[in-house]
Amino acid sequence: DVKVTQSSRYLVKRTGEKVFLECVQDMDHENMFWYRQDPGLGLRLIYFSYDVKMKEKGDIPEGYSVSREKKERFSLILESASTNQTSMYLCASSGALAGLYEQYFGPGTRLTVT
Amino acid sequence: AQSVTQLGSHVSVSEGALVLLRCNYSSSVPPYLFWYVQYPNQGLQLLLKYTSAATLVKGINGFEAEFKKSETSFHLTKPSAHMSDAAEYFCAVSEGTGGSYIPTFGRGTSLIVHP
Repeated sequence: DVKVTQSSRYLVKRTGEKVFLECVQDMDHENMFWYRQDPGLGLRLIYFSYDVKMKEKGDIPEGYSVSREKKERFSLILESASTNQTSMYLCASSGALAGLYEQYFGPGTRLTVT
Repeated sequence: AQSVTQLGSHVSVSEGALVLLRCNYSSSVPPYLFWYVQYPNQGLQLLLKYTSAATLVKGINGFEAEFKKSETSFHLTKPSAHMSDAAEYFCAVSEGTGGSYIPTFGRGTSLIVHP
């Protein structure tokens, strides 16, 4: 079974804090993704990575950065958290062996910025 | 370019009734199509996928979807709703071979099941 884990299920941070969200997958997938999910807006892609140390901007990268130092780990960083970044954050992975186009998701991190 | 439209942000059915969740897509190349389900406070889970084999695709929990190229649709159905089917459902499209492997998601449809 593919497993994607996220470091926290719930997180509360203050405005201006630096926030790290971590994601780990155990299926040797090449591709990893970060989405945010907001009611009525569906999933919006923030960043993705197709290889170690490689990253590409998604649809809404502003205010975020990412890091992929190891194949199994993909981190999302909020340099200075703001209240409009309060959201559900979902990590996903996909790979050629498992089916390049289908994604496997983590349980999500619900981030509240006060 | 690819896009997905899910008709109806909320669908309400009675337990035992037919479930029909609508999805229309656009894609410049033959698509791969997916339905995902999200239970409360969980991540998304793959329900079923179409990858150019049979046009009628069966998934988990009794769900199925039919790919209709002429209508650019991939509607999700289940003959008899169960209370445990209450969840958010997302349709997604990827462009398949030769296109982007990154899916585009619809905005989701919340399925409400009444006793």
